[in-house]
Amino acid sequence: DGGITQSPKYLFRKEGQNVTLSCEQNLNHDAMYWYRQDPGQGLRLIYYSQIVNDFQKGDIAEGYSVSREKKESFPLTVTSAQKNPTAFYLCASSLTASANEQYFGPGTRLTVT
Amino acid sequence: GQSLEQPSEVTAVEGAIVQMNCTYQTSGFYGLSWYQQHDGGAPTFLSYNALDGLEETGRFSSFLSRSDSYGYLLLQELQMKDSASYFCAVRDEGSQGNLIFGKGTKLSVKP
Repeated sequence: DGGITQSPKYLFRKEGQNVTLSCEQNLNHDAMYWYRQDPGQGLRLIYYSQIVNDFQKGDIAEGYSVSREKKESFPLTVTSAQKNPTAFYLCASSLTASANEQYFGPGTRLTVT
Repeated sequence: GQSLEQPSEVTAVEGAIVQMNCTYQTSGFYGLSWYQQHDGGAPTFLSYNALDGLEETGRFSSFLSRSDSYGYLLLQELQMKDSASYFCAVRDEGSQGNLIFGKGTKLSVKP
C-alpha cells in the first residue's frame, strides 16, 4: 500500500535535547512538507521541499532543521533552540509542488519536559 | 499577509445539512482547499476550488466566490462519523503556492 509513514506516534524528550522525527513516503511524490499543529489551531508550515536535495523555510522554521537526501525521506530535527517544541507534527507530500492535494502522515506527538 | 476566518465550532444533528464558512484575505489567490481531520488523526483532502461555483462530491459540496473572498463546505445527510474538524486552506502568491490553513471548524454531530 502506498502512503506516508511517520514514526514514532508519541515521543518524549527532555528540554535541551535535539530530536529527529521520521517521515517516509512511497508515493513517488516530488514535494514534501512539515507542519506543526497546536491545540485548537490550524497547521503551520515549518519547512518544505519541492524536489530532492532542495528545501525551503516555511513560516515557522526557527529552531528546526531538515534534509532531503532521498526522494522518499524528509526527516525533521527539532533542536534545543526551538522555544516551545511540544506539539503535534504532521508530514505531508504531494505529486508536485503545484498539485492541489496533499497527503498527510499519521503525525508524531512530541512532548518536551 | 494572508488570513483566514472560520467559525470555531458548529453543532448539528444526524441527517441534517450543515454549512461551514471560510473567508480569506490573500494576495494573488490561486484556490481554496478543504481538509477533514478527526481528533488525533491526519488531515485528509476533501476538495479544491479555483473557480467560482459549486463542486459536488457525494454528500460533500464546496463553494467559492472569488469576488467575495468567501467559500463554504456543505455536508448533507450528516452522519456521526462526520464529527471532525474541517480546515479551509488557501494557495496564493504570497505563500509561494504553499497552503495557508485556517484554524478550523469543529463539527459535532448529535444523534
